[in-house]
Amino acid sequence: QQQVKQSPQSLIVQKGGIPIINCAYENTAFDYFPWYQQFPGKGPALLIAIRPDVSEKKEGRFTISFNKSAKQFSLHIMDSQPGDSATYFCAASRADNFNKFYFGSGTKLNVKP
Amino acid sequence: DAGITQSPRYKITETGRQVTLMCHQTWSHSYMFWYRQDLGHGLRLIYYSAAADITDKGEVPDGYVVSRSKTENFPLTLESATRSQTSVYFCASKHTDTQYFGPGTRLTVL
Repeated sequence: QQQVKQSPQSLIVQKGGIPIINCAYENTAFDYFPWYQQFPGKGPALLIAIRPDVSEKKEGRFTISFNKSAKQFSLHIMDSQPGDSATYFCAASRADNFNKFYFGSGTKLNVKP
Repeated sequence: DAGITQSPRYKITETGRQVTLMCHQTWSHSYMFWYRQDLGHGLRLIYYSAAADITDKGEVPDGYVVSRSKTENFPLTLESATRSQTSVYFCASKHTDTQYFGPGTRLTVL
């Protein structure tokens, strides 16, 4: 059973659009929610992360929205660019075992010029 | 170069053979991890290590063996490879909350 469910599996947007990737979890013990970005042939790299004490976090064009009651969080990419085309993974970890990351299944984003 | 290196980058082997994937980090991070990446499953944790000589199972440890005699190295061994172990394998190390991933090894088991 997948601990973190991610959707959609793939996404195509035009340059300047705002792609939104959603993740949901069941385990209320999760308290750290990172997003990783992966380019073809490369390993994932941390993009942005949030803890449940805030509902939103922005870093440049990337924003995480967090809804603790719904157990959902999402990634928004403002003014998306072709260079943002990559696979995005959400993840979650627990305070009592912060070394175990549970990853979503990934979303392949294609930003068309 | 600083960071995490993995070798080989590509490997083709046959069912039943033993295969070892190498991982080396230059940072001296205590924690290291092995994941496999399969379409539709994202990244799944195979094993992790908190320090030299300390290892623990992740989500999908069956068929894999790890060791960590030195902080900087964390090899993953498939003792008798099966076709279901065809995957891309990523090694990672952790500093504070961030995991840093290597470039991956694409393993094909025929």
